[in-house]
Amino acid sequence: AQSVTQLDSQVPVFEEAPVELRCNYSSSVSVYLFWYVQYPNQGLQLLLKYLSGSTLVESINGFEAEFNKSQTSFHLRKPSVHISDTAEYFCAVRRKKEYGNKLVFGAGTILRVKS
Amino acid sequence: GAVVSQHPSRVICKSGTSVKIECRSLDFQATTMFWYRQFPKQSLMLMATSNEGSKATYEQGVEKDKFLINHASLTLSTLTVTSAHPEDSSFYICSASSKSGMADTQYFGPGTRLTVL
Repeated sequence: AQSVTQLDSQVPVFEEAPVELRCNYSSSVSVYLFWYVQYPNQGLQLLLKYLSGSTLVESINGFEAEFNKSQTSFHLRKPSVHISDTAEYFCAVRRKKEYGNKLVFGAGTILRVKS
Repeated sequence: GAVVSQHPSRVICKSGTSVKIECRSLDFQATTMFWYRQFPKQSLMLMATSNEGSKATYEQGVEKDKFLINHASLTLSTLTVTSAHPEDSSFYICSASSKSGMADTQYFGPGTRLTVL
């Protein structure tokens, strides 16, 4: 079975400051890794994903995450946040085998960007 | 990205009644749909996985007779909460997936807030 731990339930940060949202996972098999974002009153949107290859993946809005196999982590970072980044962020994993296999989510981290 | 809708967005019902929630993929054919439940300040918990035209696969601990799932077409899945009770009050979220490359991407609906009085 897989599990995901997001160590921070809330992260307050000032606008233009850097931020890191932590995610650790546990799995006995190889997994794909995902970050989803949920803006207020909206559904989850895929932010970025790691499938294979380069361990550093980037999103179109400046976020990046690095897969660290030895530390079983997939932390999300952004060098300079905006007010519009305020949202809840979910880390998730899925087993590599079997198309359609389920996602296992962390509890979520609420990012609050203050001006 | 792909769009998934849910209807209704909010529903309040009396204890003992049944509630149907619809999940639609608006611009793609979803071979697989997932239903999640989210309690306040908790993670999304998968309830069941459904493939078009076949019976849903329920996660351990989820009562299939209470949470009826139908996936009759490639664009529509429904979740019916039968004989709802206050403990069924929760945020229900669906996602839809179509095979794409190495890993299918799930597109999520906006969720349905169910309150059972």
